Amino acid sequence: RKEVEQDPGPFNVPEGATVAFNCTYSNSASQSFFWYRQDCRKEPKLLMSVYSSGNEDGRFTAQLNRASQYISLLIRDSKLSDSATYLCVVNMNTGNQFYFGTGTSLTVIP
Amino acid sequence: DAGITQSPRHKVTETGTPVTLRCHQTENHRYMYWYRQDPGHGLRLIHYSYGVKDTDKGEVSDGYSVSRSKTEDFLLTLESATSSQTSVYFCAISETGRTGELFFGEGSRLTVL
Repeated sequence: RKEVEQDPGPFNVPEGATVAFNCTYSNSASQSFFWYRQDCRKEPKLLMSVYSSGNEDGRFTAQLNRASQYISLLIRDSKLSDSATYLCVVNMNTGNQFYFGTGTSLTVIP
Repeated sequence: DAGITQSPRHKVTETGTPVTLRCHQTENHRYMYWYRQDPGHGLRLIHYSYGVKDTDKGEVSDGYSVSRSKTEDFLLTLESATSSQTSVYFCAISETGRTGELFFGEGSRLTVL
């Protein structure tokens, strides 16, 4: 079983749509949670950290549900520039190791 | 952007040859990581380092070795490259490890023929 699981998609949505991604993790002792964005043939870059209380950054909202062990990312009013792969990342409480989901592909269509 | 560079950025080699990838950082971060990224698998940890000469294995460490003799450099070596090691390799750094974010290099694309 993978440590972090994501629906690979692809998600194809029109501009202006709202889209949500979910991610589940297996280790209940996990400490830190992140969403990264990766453009085609580029390195991953941090989109946002995910806190228990939930956090928002402009059009992006991240939520953490520790009881159900899942993390979500909501993108409102999608832009063409949001087209990318979104990676769910979890840091297990077993050392300084970050575990990545396989990523969810998003294409925003004009 | 974090000061992290990888070299070479692209390499084509033959099965059985040794290959070394270099990661260099100017951020003085304690933690350094090597990942490989393959379709359908996402990013998988090969090895990581938590200080000079302090390294540990990740989930896909077989066939790879690492060394860190200076804070700023983390080397990944494939002693005898195989076709299954064709991949994109990313180096990453983190200041605080467990709770901090990862900053990635631009990646090294390795093809083993």
